[in-house]
Amino acid sequence: DIQMTQSPSSLSASVGDRVTITCRASQSINSYLNWYQHKPGKAPKLLIYVASNLQSGVPSRFSGRGSGTDFSLTISGLQPEDFATYSCQQSYSSPLTFGGGTKVEIK
Amino acid sequence: QVQLQESGPGLVKPSETLSLICTVSGGSVSSGAYSWTWLRQPPGKGLEWIGYIQDSGTTDYNPSLKSRVALSVNTSKNQFSLKLSAVSAADTAVYYCARVDGVSLGYLGFLKTWGQGTLVSVSS
Repeated sequence: DIQMTQSPSSLSASVGDRVTITCRASQSINSYLNWYQHKPGKAPKLLIYVASNLQSGVPSRFSGRGSGTDFSLTISGLQPEDFATYSCQQSYSSPLTFGGGTKVEIK
Repeated sequence: QVQLQESGPGLVKPSETLSLICTVSGGSVSSGAYSWTWLRQPPGKGLEWIGYIQDSGTTDYNPSLKSRVALSVNTSKNQFSLKLSAVSAADTAVYYCARVDGVSLGYLGFLKTWGQGTLVSVSS
């Protein structure tokens, strides 16, 4: 199985901050990396697919980059609704695997 | 707009079979363009992919659960379901169903639409 390692596991930030979350795969996964946002009691939300493609309806302050083993998700100008948990997921090989998640909290 | 909703018992006894249904609305489970998948998240842990099924009946399961998992599709009810046998406390988790989009050669797709999740506890 491909292991996905996210960092940090949590962070505190203020509204308006620029935040970057990283995700590292245990082997090359090309660009087959997706990012999701999770909020308690809500359906998880797809943000980015194939490393850098913004899902329709997702604000442009979210961006993704990377290829091979190293990827990142950046939120430029954190908004109150962005405080949530974010996870990465590889779609290169079965079984699909996820990072452990990054909780973005209000400072 | 497609919506998914999980349903099933919130409490299952050890050694019994966990059964969940995902009802699809606003779209068809037999469209052929998508795969339908189950995932779970134990308390305090990350997401674990359980497996997927296509309307053709083709399945793929996580090897860690393969011996205990069965997925099926009911096209007449526009539902797909999960059965996990011989459960233990380690199977306590929030279970999600989701639709897999964008599958192409070499790319296993992305989970565009999810249900809200349902908590299943395993306890006597």
